[in-house]
Amino acid sequence: DAKTTQPNSMESNEEEPVHLPCNHSTISGTDYIHWYRQLPSQGPEYVIHGLTSNVNNRMASLAIAEDRKSSTLILHRATLRDAAVYYCILKRCNQFYFGTGTSLTVIP
Amino acid sequence: KAGVTQTPRYLIKTRGQQVTLSCSPISGHRSVSWYQQTPGQGLQFLFEYFSETQRNKGNFPGRFSGRQFSNSRSEMNVSTLELGDSALYLCASSLVGWETQYFGPGTRLLVL
Repeated sequence: DAKTTQPNSMESNEEEPVHLPCNHSTISGTDYIHWYRQLPSQGPEYVIHGLTSNVNNRMASLAIAEDRKSSTLILHRATLRDAAVYYCILKRCNQFYFGTGTSLTVIP
Repeated sequence: KAGVTQTPRYLIKTRGQQVTLSCSPISGHRSVSWYQQTPGQGLQFLFEYFSETQRNKGNFPGRFSGRQFSNSRSEMNVSTLELGDSALYLCASSLVGWETQYFGPGTRLLVL
């Protein structure tokens, strides 16, 4: 089964980098790693995704371990608006397998 | 471009009743997926529709069903509601299904 494991919660100071870890030891070769975040009373929104190589976009960076059994979402400078639940997801055959999510608190 | 819309936003039903939820995808998107979100189980995939056909299905009982219309709008139906069906039901759309998904705000269903 496609399963991801994340810490329940993390804290970060505002304007500091945040590293959100995710373990996905059952990942298969064609599974994509996606990250979404969910703000209160909203649906999840896309953050970033990757397959094997590290990825960067305007929101974040995704670092994928060489064996692909873990990954880390990096927010370079946390802002108060980044406070949300971050989900690490495996996409397998057009189906998303969500982890339990990490609730990120950003401290001013 | 308008985002994914879901109606109704809130719903209260009693056990044994049935309910229909609606999802309008982003214009041009042909894939619609449905998810159930509960505090205990988190986000779980229900099913995905593409071009009016169910293409993928999660591990939910047959009481949960859906359909998609020619304009890509989708509905999901839950029959014989149980207390455990109380949840936030989210739909997400994408162009053809394997790229970025855009989620709606969800329909919060409370079963009494």
